[in-house]
Order: sequence, then C-alpha cells, then structure tokens
Amino acid sequence: GQQLNQSPQSMFIQEGEDVSMNCTSSSIFNTWLWYKQEPGEGPVLLIALYKAGELTSNGRLTAQFGITRKDSFLNISASIPSDVGIYFCAGRKTDSWGKLQFGAGTQVVVTP
Amino acid sequence: DSGVTQTPKHLITATGQRVTLRCSPRSGDLSVYWYQQSLDQGLQFLIQYYNGEERAKGNILERFSAQQFPDLHSELNLSSLELGDSALYFCASSERGQDHGANVLTFGAGSRLTVL
Repeated sequence: GQQLNQSPQSMFIQEGEDVSMNCTSSSIFNTWLWYKQEPGEGPVLLIALYKAGELTSNGRLTAQFGITRKDSFLNISASIPSDVGIYFCAGRKTDSWGKLQFGAGTQVVVTP
Repeated sequence: DSGVTQTPKHLITATGQRVTLRCSPRSGDLSVYWYQQSLDQGLQFLIQYYNGEERAKGNILERFSAQQFPDLHSELNLSSLELGDSALYFCASSERGQDHGANVLTFGAGSRLTVL
C-alpha cells in the first residue's frame, strides 16, 4: 500500500484561483517529486526537489521540500483550464536504486 | 510524445491467460521501470532494470516477470491472469539507475489491460 498521504483528493476551482496540495509521510525521503497526469497519458514530471527546505518554481508552479523530509507541497498560482489533471507527489528514499513511492493523487478541475 | 513507447495500448483478455507488454525506453536511457496503476492502489512500483540487470523489486506478483534485453527494450509478462490484474501498466525510463539519475523518470502512455 501507499505510504504517502496526499490531500486533498480532488479540487474544483475557478479559473484564476490558486491551488495548493500537499503530501505527508511517516518516513523520511531524500527526494520529492511532483508529477501531472492527463487522461490517456503517463505522468509527466513537473518539479524535482533534492534538499530539505528547498523551494523550487516552474512557471506558475511552486513546490517545497519540507524541513522534516517527511512532507512536500505544491502550489499552482492563477490556474488556467489546461491545469486540469491529476497531480501526484512521489518520494524516493535514501537507497540508491530508483523505486519511487507515489501518493494517491489530487484531481484538479478548473472551471472557466 | 515522451519518447518511451509502450505496446499494446489496449489489451482485453480472459482470466487464466498470459500477456506480454512491451516497452522501448527513451533514447539514451539505460534504466527501465514498470509501474501498475489501478483505481484502488494508485501507482505501484513493480520492478526496475538497469542495463539488462534487475536492480529493484517492488510489489510484483510471482505470476509476473520482466526482463530487459541487450537493446534495452523491456517486456513485462503477466500470466495466470485474474480479474484484479486489470489496470494500466506504465513503463518509465531514466538515464541512469541510481541517485539523482534515477529521479527524472519519463513515462510512456501506458498499456491498459482488461481481464474479463
């Protein structure tokens, strides 16, 4: 089962509003990643975070790596219709090979 | 197009059957990963290969097996299929298999398996 708790499960927002979602874990991760998945496609990497406390932006997206290493959040500012999709957090532990654990996802619906 | 090619896109089969899903990684990527996505379990890591060798194993059933060939393409074999195996199966690739080189995964579009 999943060890990452992602919330909220879904969000219905109006165009122009900001969106915030977060991911928490009982375990420490050394990398946090945020992916977006659109219908019929695989997840696409949005932001990668490598250090505790790191704050990284990608256009209107901003994500932070929590200082406890057990959480991360993603903000989307001034949402637009193409922001619709499912956003997943993913974490990777300190072992060197590449297993990622994913959150259950946050479904974002943007209405005009 | 992500550069990761998965075939088939859709597959419908019956319980007890066996299927093979195929993945060609992005050019230059040496590591391949398989993930299963279902409604109740989300995205679950199955297995990772790096340059032909198995490197990490997740919640992969014994009825499932995979391999990575010398040309770096990978196959996921699912046998004795059950209704609960119906899911989207994603392949992803990365340039390397360890540390930061394993973080930037590029996913394919997935193979949707329906077991009737």
